Amino acid sequence: KQEVTQIPAALSVPEGENLVLNCSFTDSAIYNLQWFRQDPGKGLTSLLLIQSSQREQTSGRLNASLDKSSGRSTLYIAASQPGDSATYLCAVSDDYKLSFGAGTTVTVRA
Amino acid sequence: EAGVVQSPRYKIIEKKQPVAFWCNPISGHNTLYWYRQNLGQGPELLIRYENEEAVDDSQLPKDRFSAERLKGVDSTLKIQPAELGDSAVYLCASTSGQGSNEKLFFGSGTQLSVL
Repeated sequence: KQEVTQIPAALSVPEGENLVLNCSFTDSAIYNLQWFRQDPGKGLTSLLLIQSSQREQTSGRLNASLDKSSGRSTLYIAASQPGDSATYLCAVSDDYKLSFGAGTTVTVRA
Repeated sequence: EAGVVQSPRYKIIEKKQPVAFWCNPISGHNTLYWYRQNLGQGPELLIRYENEEAVDDSQLPKDRFSAERLKGVDSTLKIQPAELGDSAVYLCASTSGQGSNEKLFFGSGTQLSVL
């Protein structure tokens, strides 16, 4: 069974600092890895999807890397803003089944 | 374009009562998922549909949970009878089903409280 772990569970940084969020998974036989954002009381919004053959994906201030062999992914958010405050979850795909981590709750202080 | 629509947003019921959740996926999305998210945890898959067929319901507690997706569009998830441990957020998600490397689109969820 795929186990996905996100450490730390919570993170607080001052505005402008770069954010580094970590995700690890136990089974490297994955189709892809997605990073999601979840605001309080809301559903999840997909931020980036990295296919198993890729090493990274970028969208604006967000960059996600994937090291399948070591079972790790990192989400970088450059120059953080208060609007980046949310919970970030990673999920790995085994064909169509997604296994989620518990998330890292980020607070960006103004 | 409208996103995934779920209703109701909140539901409070007493244990042993029935409850139903409704989901309307993004137009043209053939694949529909129901997830359950407990507080402080990631979502866990309950059931996946390809059109009107339930292709993965291995995680659905079939003694009290049921789901349907008539005509391959809207879907309903039902719990009867509800237990205290069913309190959670129930999320619906959809994709176009064109391949396994598709982004998943989620609704806002239904927050269920069982008293």
